[in-house]
Parts: sequence; C-alpha cells; structure tokens
Amino acid sequence: AQKVTQAQTEISVVEKEDVTLDCVYETRDTTYYLFWYKQPPSGELVFLIRRNSFDEQNEISGRYSWNFQKSTSSFNFTITASQVVDSAVYFCALSEQNQGAQKLVFGQGTRLTINP
Amino acid sequence: DTGVSQDPRHKITKRGQNVTFRCDPISEHNRLYWYRQTLGQGPEFLTYFQNEAQLEKSRLLSDRFSAERPKGSFSTLEIQRTEQGDSAMYLCASSEQETQYFGPGTRLLVL
Repeated sequence: AQKVTQAQTEISVVEKEDVTLDCVYETRDTTYYLFWYKQPPSGELVFLIRRNSFDEQNEISGRYSWNFQKSTSSFNFTITASQVVDSAVYFCALSEQNQGAQKLVFGQGTRLTINP
Repeated sequence: DTGVSQDPRHKITKRGQNVTFRCDPISEHNRLYWYRQTLGQGPEFLTYFQNEAQLEKSRLLSDRFSAERPKGSFSTLEIQRTEQGDSAMYLCASSEQETQYFGPGTRLLVL
C-alpha cells in the first residue's frame, strides 16, 4: 500500500531562517507523482509542486526548493529566508493510480510557524 | 479563471439529520474528487468521478454517503443520518491531468 510519512508534526522558526520539511514515501508503483500542498488557516489546499517519478531534477521556485531522491524515497521541501506568510500546514502527497483515478495519499502534515 | 468552489462553507447539524454539499469544479476539468479531512490529519480519499461516472469509492464511504455528478459538471455529496464522527472538513478537487486543485472545503459539525 502507498504511504507518506511526514515525521515532523510541528516546526517553529524565526523569520529569515531556512527550514526543511521532510517527506518519505512508500510505493510499489514504478510510475507515480509526488506533490506538496500548503494549507493556510483559511483551510484551502494550495498546490505548490508536482514531481514525476522519472524526473529527479531538483527544482527551485523563488524561496522554495524541492529535493527528490528516489534512492531514499524522499521528497523534501526547503523554504529559504522564511517569512511570516509561510506559516501554514504543509502536506506531501503521493498519487496512486487505480482505474484511471489518480487519488492522492497524503501525509499527516507539518505545521510550520514562522515567528517575527 | 475561477477555481473550485464549494457550498456551503460551514454546516452545523444535529445528529440524525441529512446534509448535502455541492462542489463546482474548474470548468474544463473532467475529473472530480471528494476527500475528507479530520483535525490534525491529512485529507483522505472518498470518491472519484470521471465526467458523470463514479469510478471509485473508498471503504471510508459508508452506505450513508452518496455522491453524484449528474451532468459531468457539479457534484453533490450527501450524508444521511449524520453521526458525530462525520464531523470533518469535506474537500472537493478537480483535475484535467495529474494535478488536483482543491476548493475551500465545507466544514461540517454534527452536534
């Protein structure tokens, strides 16, 4: 069965610090997708990134970067120079394809608090 | 480009009552998903539609739950005879390809 583990339940840092959110996954599929979503206090899940299992290139988008390592089944997310607006719950997710549905299996989330 | 919308945003009901939630996906998206999220947990898959066909249902979806997408556009999720354990955030998502875009959710509280 597919599984996503986010071992860090809560992280609290001071503004401008760098912070890394860990994500480890389990799957028997050879083709899969990994995702990160942000859930601010308003509750809506905001899509951040999608990564195909065949593409291990790291990605950078502004202050955000993602490190995908298939060898360790990890897909970690780093925020550089954190800001108060980054405070949210962050979810890592793995797509599980069944009958055409790409349902998402989520981790339990990491609550990130950025203190001014 | 409007995103996924859900209605109502909040619902308080008494145990035993029926409730219905609505989801309007992004217009060109043919895939629609329902998830449930309880406090402190990640969302859990409930059911999936491709156009009007309901192709998969989770074991989480008991007989009291039913979902429809009659014309392949909006979808409804009904919970009959609500129980306190049904209290959760119900999230709808839609997609055209692999990436799912989520609505704001409907927060249900069963008293």
